[in-house]
Amino acid sequence: DGGITQSPKYLFRKEGQNVTLSCEQNLNHDAMYWYRQDPGQGLRLIYYSQIVNDFQKGDIAEGYSVSREKKESFPLTVTSAQKNPTAFYLCASRGQGDSPLHFGNGTRLTVT
Amino acid sequence: GDSVTQMEGPVTLSEEAFLTINCTYTATGYPSLFWYVQYPGEGLQLLLKATKADDKGSNKGFEATYRKETTSFHLEKGSVQVSDSAVYFCALSDQEAGSYQLTFGKGTKLSVIP
Repeated sequence: DGGITQSPKYLFRKEGQNVTLSCEQNLNHDAMYWYRQDPGQGLRLIYYSQIVNDFQKGDIAEGYSVSREKKESFPLTVTSAQKNPTAFYLCASRGQGDSPLHFGNGTRLTVT
Repeated sequence: GDSVTQMEGPVTLSEEAFLTINCTYTATGYPSLFWYVQYPGEGLQLLLKATKADDKGSNKGFEATYRKETTSFHLEKGSVQVSDSAVYFCALSDQEAGSYQLTFGKGTKLSVIP
């Protein structure tokens, strides 16, 4: 079955450490997205990529970095510069034009 | 810029009650409108969509009508079940923006009690 796989489901890190969240899709979608979800704030766009080797900042990109070396993969690195990294992170992909987003099941990151 | 405003929750209903979750939007162009649902511990799933004025999206007993004159896309269901307990997100996709990015509302948590 086609879909988006995020791993791990839960991730714990100490403050000051960088951490990379994995996102893989086998839907053959060109566009991929990273969102952050906090209670009461809905979804906020971190980064997105519409094609391999290209990506753009979203609304809250500071403290995050991404790469898009393969169509199937869009990993997100949460750096030590991110002031409040504890959150639920959602990866999504999208087909051509105005088609709906497909979401992974998320990674819950806790930084202490 | 584009924005989506949906009613704040949480909303608590008894089983078989009628559900309405209000959603209004602001957009520069002619957006497509979506409702997504998020069950506990999971990502979001598309519930329904409408791409032009007066379109009605429907799925699993849920309905929403694209009302351009009131810039609204309210979600309704005639008889909710316990299994409908989830967080519901209204969203728009504005083609004028060029990149088809989605703008989401803040979500409305629905709890249905037996």
